[in-house]
Amino acid sequence: QVQLVQSGAEVKKPGASVKLSCKASGYTFTSYSIHWVRQAPGQGLEWMGWIDGDDGDTKYSQKFQGSVTITMDAAATTAYMELSSLRPEDTAVYYCYRTWGYWGQGTLVTVSS
Amino acid sequence: QAVVTQEPSLTVSPGGTVTLTCGSSTGAVTSGHYPYWFQQKPGQAPRTLIYDTSNTHPWTPARFSGSLVGGKAALTLSGAQPEDEAEYYCLLSYIGARVFGGGTKLTVL
Repeated sequence: QVQLVQSGAEVKKPGASVKLSCKASGYTFTSYSIHWVRQAPGQGLEWMGWIDGDDGDTKYSQKFQGSVTITMDAAATTAYMELSSLRPEDTAVYYCYRTWGYWGQGTLVTVSS
Repeated sequence: QAVVTQEPSLTVSPGGTVTLTCGSSTGAVTSGHYPYWFQQKPGQAPRTLIYDTSNTHPWTPARFSGSLVGGKAALTLSGAQPEDEAEYYCLLSYIGARVFGGGTKLTVL
C-alpha cells in the first residue's frame, strides 16, 4: 500500500534552515509528484510547492518562492523540503502528499529563540 | 495568486444532506482545476475524500460525493453521521500551482 513517512519533529532558532524528508513506498516513485503543505497552529492548510517524481521539475507557491527548495532522491524514493531563514511564524506542521492524495503523518517544526 | 473560497461553517442534522462548495476568484471552477476535497479532524493529518472532481478512494464513505455545480466544485454529504463533524478543505490547481480554500467547519447537530 502507498505510504509516506515523514521525518521527526524539529526545533530551530530564527534564521536557521530546516530540511524535512518524506519517504515514499508502495508505488513507483517516479510516476507521481509529491507536494508539500503546511498548517500553522489553529490555521488552515497552505500549499507550498511540488516536485515531479519523473523529472524533478518543481513548482512553488509565490509566497514561498526563494525560501523553499524541494528536492528528491529517486533511488531512495524520498522527497525533501528545505525552508530557509526561519521565523517564528514558520512554526507549523508540515505535510507531504502524493498525487491523488496520499498523505504523510506530518512533521512539527517549532521556531523559537 | 487565485483565491479559493469556501463557506466558513455549515451545520447539518444527523441523517441530513449538505453541500459544501469551492469557488475560484478567477471564474468558474472546471474539471481542469482538478478539485480535491480533504477532511481533517483535530490533531489528525488531512484525509483525501475526493480527487479530480469526483474520484473517490477505497476509504471514502459512500455518503460523500464530488461534482461541479453552478461554476463551483461541490462536496455533497448525504446521510450525515456524527463522525463527519470535521474541517473540510478543497484544493484547486492553477497551471501547476495549487491553492487551498480556507476550509469549512462542518457541525453535525
